[in-house]
Amino acid sequence: DTEVTQTPKHLVMGMTNKKSLKCEQHMGHRAMYWYKQKAKKPPELMFVYSYEKLSINESVPSRFSPECPNSSLLNLHLHALQPEDSALYLCASSQVGRGRHEQYFGPGTRLTVT
Amino acid sequence: GDSVTQMEGPVTLSEEAFLTINCTYTATGYPSLFWYVQYPGEGLQLLLKATKADDKGSNKGFEATYRKETTSFHLEKGSVQVSDSAVYFCALSSGAGSYQLTFGKGTKLSVIP
Repeated sequence: DTEVTQTPKHLVMGMTNKKSLKCEQHMGHRAMYWYKQKAKKPPELMFVYSYEKLSINESVPSRFSPECPNSSLLNLHLHALQPEDSALYLCASSQVGRGRHEQYFGPGTRLTVT
Repeated sequence: GDSVTQMEGPVTLSEEAFLTINCTYTATGYPSLFWYVQYPGEGLQLLLKATKADDKGSNKGFEATYRKETTSFHLEKGSVQVSDSAVYFCALSSGAGSYQLTFGKGTKLSVIP
């Protein structure tokens, strides 16, 4: 099973709202990722968690707050977003350790900020 | 730093035509190379991978060979179908234990009946 699930599939939120995106994997992967993808562009890395600890934060604004409650779950908490934050948010997971491991992506959450 | 260069799209082909999407890379060390595919409205799916020179990755009729001498990883398919219409991303991961995927800009493929 190489499935990564994400909820919700679509989200519309106002600039004053607080919402959360959720991601889950059951492949036993110990690295999980959040990416942002704008139309007609490749994904841009936002955060990496390794063994439930934040290991990479690509200078993402504080209105995005990641959380990794356990090895299977990854959340992205959203607060006071801007219209330019509208994008497809992708979660991914991979093995860790020696080697250059492929990442498995979820279907994404299409976020619209109004 | 690492980089991936893909041929510019969009690419439009008739059904059953031969497909090549060129991908070249610059990386330190010995990267692993990947092709991902993104169908409209969906996330990225791993299409195939190669982890060392001369490896050939293959899946669903697609193939790509890791060519270290030309730093290339071109994607090919002998006979495309309408269902292959998607955006294709070439990507690499370099450095042992690296979490970073470096993506190309993507190539949009449209296959017409």
